[in-house]
This record gives sequence, C-alpha cells and structure tokens, in this order.
Amino acid sequence: AQKVTQAQTEISVVEKEDVTLDCVYETRDTTYYLFWYKQPPSGELVFLIRRNSFDEQNEISGRYSWNFQKSTSSFNFTITASQVVDSAVYFCALSPSSNDYKLSFGAGTTVTVRA
Amino acid sequence: KAGVTQTPRYLIKTRGQQVTLSCSPISGHRSVSWYQQTPGQGLQFLFEYFSETQRNKGNFPGRFSGRQFSNSRSEMNVSTLELGDSALYLCASSLDERLAGVRSSYNEQFFGPGTRLTVL
Repeated sequence: AQKVTQAQTEISVVEKEDVTLDCVYETRDTTYYLFWYKQPPSGELVFLIRRNSFDEQNEISGRYSWNFQKSTSSFNFTITASQVVDSAVYFCALSPSSNDYKLSFGAGTTVTVRA
Repeated sequence: KAGVTQTPRYLIKTRGQQVTLSCSPISGHRSVSWYQQTPGQGLQFLFEYFSETQRNKGNFPGRFSGRQFSNSRSEMNVSTLELGDSALYLCASSLDERLAGVRSSYNEQFFGPGTRLTVL
C-alpha cells in the first residue's frame, strides 16, 4: 500500500516570503516515483516535477526547489519569493516505478499568497 | 495545441441515475487516466486506458466503468449514482511514447479542467 501525507492543510504567506510544503510518504516498493502537482482555482492539475527514488539530488527550477530525503521518506517543496500567482492547492503524489500512471495523492496543501 | 477537454463541465443528477462523462485527450496522446476528487477522500485514481484497453484500475466498485475509442477519446460511466459520487472527475492524457512496446522516456500527464458532478 502507498500513502502520502501532507500535514499542512493551509499555509498563508505575504508576497516575497518563502514557503515550504512538507510531504512524507510510505511505500513498500523499492523503486518509486514522487511527484508534485499544482491545482490553481481553474481546477486542472499542473505537473511540476517527477523524481525517481534512486535520484536523491535536490532540484531547483526557477523559484521552485525540491528536497528529497529517502532516509526520512520526505519530498519537500519550497517556493522562494512567493507571488500571488502561486496561490493554489499543491499535491504531492507517489507511484510505483512499474506504473507511474497509478498515482497516490496526498490531501493537498492550500497556499494563499497575499499581496 | 489544444489541451485536454472534458464535457460536460457541470452535471446534476439524482440518486439511482447513471452518468457518462467524456474526455478528449491532447492530439497524439494515447493514454487516458481518470481520477475522482472529493473533499473527504481527496484525489483517487480510477482507471487508465491505452489503445482502447484498460491497463490499470483503482479501488472503485464496478459501478464505475470506462472505455476508450480508437481516436483515444475516453468516456467514463457511473451507474446507480450515490450521493457520495458527487465529485470533480479529472481526466489526464499522456503521450506514452514507446519503442518496440517499451516506454522510452517519461511523458507527463496533462490534466483537463474536470467535470463537476453533483448527485442529489
């Protein structure tokens, strides 16, 4: 069984603050994929990143960065210098490496960035 | 290039009825997945279709079914609707490039805006 926990339900920050979203996962698979998706108010999920379980390198993409720590089963996501357009629900997800279509999602964290 | 389209965007049904939702993937995409999103259960995987075949299935009762047509368009059907079926149903498509049957690289899933189903 796979489980993803996003303990933070809601986070509210002022523009230009950094915000970190926590994601902890459980899986019996030895290899797996981790994902982050963004869901803006319009509803469609937007893919942000996919990380293979054997690649523990941190990744930075513009104002986004991800910290993967296999030892603590965590895959945290940081938005640096947040902007109002970052306001959305963010989902962490997990899939077995044999089937990366079958995603197990966390409950999501609602991020509100105030001007 | 047009994105994933889902029709209708909103539906209201009553308990016991059945409903069919439609998803048109991005042109050239052959894999279509369906997800249910509810406040209580969150986002849950329903099933995935590729080349008109159901390749993966989530843990939903048999009332939930789907199919994929030769043009990759997909429909999902829910029979004998229950109040708990009220949800946002999301469809996602992926290119799923394969060489000799083996996927050569990761092709991300692109999601549609969803169909909001309300069961009264």
